[in-house]
Amino acid sequence: GQNIDQPTEMTATEGAIVQINCTYQTSGFNGLFWYQQHAGEAPTFLSYNVLDGLEEKGRFSSVLSRSKGYSYLLLKELQMKDSASYLCAVMDSNYQLIWGAGTKLIIKP
Amino acid sequence: DGGITQSPKYLFRKEGQNVTLSCEQNLNHDAMYWYRQDPGQGLRLIYYSQIVNDFQKGDIAEGYSVSREKKESFPLTVTSAQKNPTAFYLCASSTVGEASGIQETQYFGPGTRLLVL
Repeated sequence: GQNIDQPTEMTATEGAIVQINCTYQTSGFNGLFWYQQHAGEAPTFLSYNVLDGLEEKGRFSSVLSRSKGYSYLLLKELQMKDSASYLCAVMDSNYQLIWGAGTKLIIKP
Repeated sequence: DGGITQSPKYLFRKEGQNVTLSCEQNLNHDAMYWYRQDPGQGLRLIYYSQIVNDFQKGDIAEGYSVSREKKESFPLTVTSAQKNPTAFYLCASSTVGEASGIQETQYFGPGTRLLVL
């Protein structure tokens, strides 16, 4: 079967750095997406990786290793507004998105 | 301002009732999607459509129906056959690569929370 694993919840301190991991086992791979979702709101697109390596967007970076079936999202200089769930999704061989359950990130002052 | 709108924000359903959730986009996207989100679970695909007058079932289509009569609109009906409809429903849209025919990044509407009375 297809599976996306993310930690359920993480806690970090304002101003610090946090890494949110995502491991996947899917039938084929056509890219990995990260989304941010605040409670009760829509997911918003953060990043897309299809090749191994780093994608940077401001304070957020995403890294992909296809050989390891692994990606992580790195959030720097954490702000209180970064408290949200972070969703990992993989596009499989049928070009369908398989979604992880999301990681709830709690930021403490 | 381009975007995706969903209405209503909250919807209450009585036993045996069909309800319809609206989704409209003015992004000129070809593809549209409906997802269901339950606590502790990933998004699950209900239906999707890549072109007007055509749509395909997702992983959990039973008890739901859709139509795609216009490019901008993709309404979802939750029928009485759906026995556990309480969830957060998300509509999304994306472009489709001209050469590849592959869906690209999905963008989401604000969601509709459906509750059963």
